Amino acid sequence: DAGVTQSPTHLIKTRGQQVTLRCSPKSGHDTVSWYQQALGQGPQFIFQYYEEEERQRGNFPDRFSGHQFPNYSSELNVNALLLGDSALYLCASSYGFGDQETQYFGPGTRLLVL
Amino acid sequence: GNSVTQMEGPVTLSEEAFLTINCTYTATGYPSLFWYVQYPGEGLQLLLKATKADDKGSNKGFEATYRKETTSFHLEKGSVQVSDSAVYFCALSAPGGFKTIFGAGTRLFVKA
Repeated sequence: DAGVTQSPTHLIKTRGQQVTLRCSPKSGHDTVSWYQQALGQGPQFIFQYYEEEERQRGNFPDRFSGHQFPNYSSELNVNALLLGDSALYLCASSYGFGDQETQYFGPGTRLLVL
Repeated sequence: GNSVTQMEGPVTLSEEAFLTINCTYTATGYPSLFWYVQYPGEGLQLLLKATKADDKGSNKGFEATYRKETTSFHLEKGSVQVSDSAVYFCALSAPGGFKTIFGAGTRLFVKA
């Protein structure tokens, strides 16, 4: 059983560009959350998707948007990239409504903005 | 708002030493508490959890007890190994909440 997978593993962009990150949840999971982990910091919640809708959002600007597909996979889009967007982006999947106890994390996508 | 505070690192220990990483939290109600571990170049792995006061979570020799009276969830291990070298994150999720709130992480180095 594959766990949570993310692509790409690494990405380099320049300021002002746009980026799309992808996540496939663990088999049987229907909820996907995205986190940003800056260097030396703990992960910060960006948003969560359930039933193809954004269920909750953290303190991130509208430049950060997402999508969930019918097969539960998800994308994170960031527009107008800033240097401060450089971070490890983690996807986590879980099952059901508000259940944080069975949350599994992917290996992350490391984004560098130059 | 809800938050997690954990001791700053890095923590450097010799193999077989006793480990304590302190974690305190601020939250309304009764949150669930977690310890996650992040090995170099990898994502987060759930190490242990506790969902109500006085619960003890344990896994791989690590333990933490949910202390409501002191709002703490300290991580302990009686004898660390070199392979325990990693970053450890204390975290909470509020009742009915959708997100997990993490501390800043504590890096542990274990020397042979």
